[in-house]
Amino acid sequence: EPEVTQTPSHQVTQMGQEVILRCVPISNHLYFYWYRQILGQKVEFLVSFYNNEISEKSEIFDDQFSVERPDGSNFTLKIRSTKLEDSAMYFCASKEREAPDTQYFGPGTRLTVL
Amino acid sequence: DAKTTQPNSMESNEEEPVHLPCNHSTISGTDYIHWYRQLPSQGPEYVIHGLTSNVNNRMASLAIAEDRKSSTLILHRATLRDAAVYYCILGRAARQLTFGSGTQLTVLP
Repeated sequence: EPEVTQTPSHQVTQMGQEVILRCVPISNHLYFYWYRQILGQKVEFLVSFYNNEISEKSEIFDDQFSVERPDGSNFTLKIRSTKLEDSAMYFCASKEREAPDTQYFGPGTRLTVL
Repeated sequence: DAKTTQPNSMESNEEEPVHLPCNHSTISGTDYIHWYRQLPSQGPEYVIHGLTSNVNNRMASLAIAEDRKSSTLILHRATLRDAAVYYCILGRAARQLTFGSGTQLTVLP
């Protein structure tokens, strides 16, 4: 069965550094999402992406965050200058079409900011 | 987005059916009812979704009240692998999912 993959599985960085989290969505999917989950807390929506542009973003997704689909297969989340509070699991998800279908989630990247 | 209410936790014995309730009294006519689950240390996983009619798939059944103000996820025979946090989420089409705290299901051997 096709699956969403994410790399790396764990990223450790120093506060103030830039990080790029990578996702490979399922190949025929058109809608892409990033969520995060701080340890012990709820899964929170960050951003959705369709047709090469952001379709929705949450209050968390400020100017420090950006997303890109550079080559038609990868979907990346960049955090320009990481803060301690950015430490979380980051999940990528993809979906085939606009209908209320399944969002398929990746296994996540654990980001630790020191 | 309309709000859902779920019990914080439930327990079940292995190989018995489990009924996980969800209340959504402010659901709108265009809101679908989605259920996802999150196993320990994994990403959320789709379970089932429906609009008005009851739905069955290989993982579970979804029973939706006639007035749509509540629904129940039914796992027909719980296994240890079904121990997870189960989320009942309302939403439309391509919009993002808004996760609540969910129900932590413990399956006892």
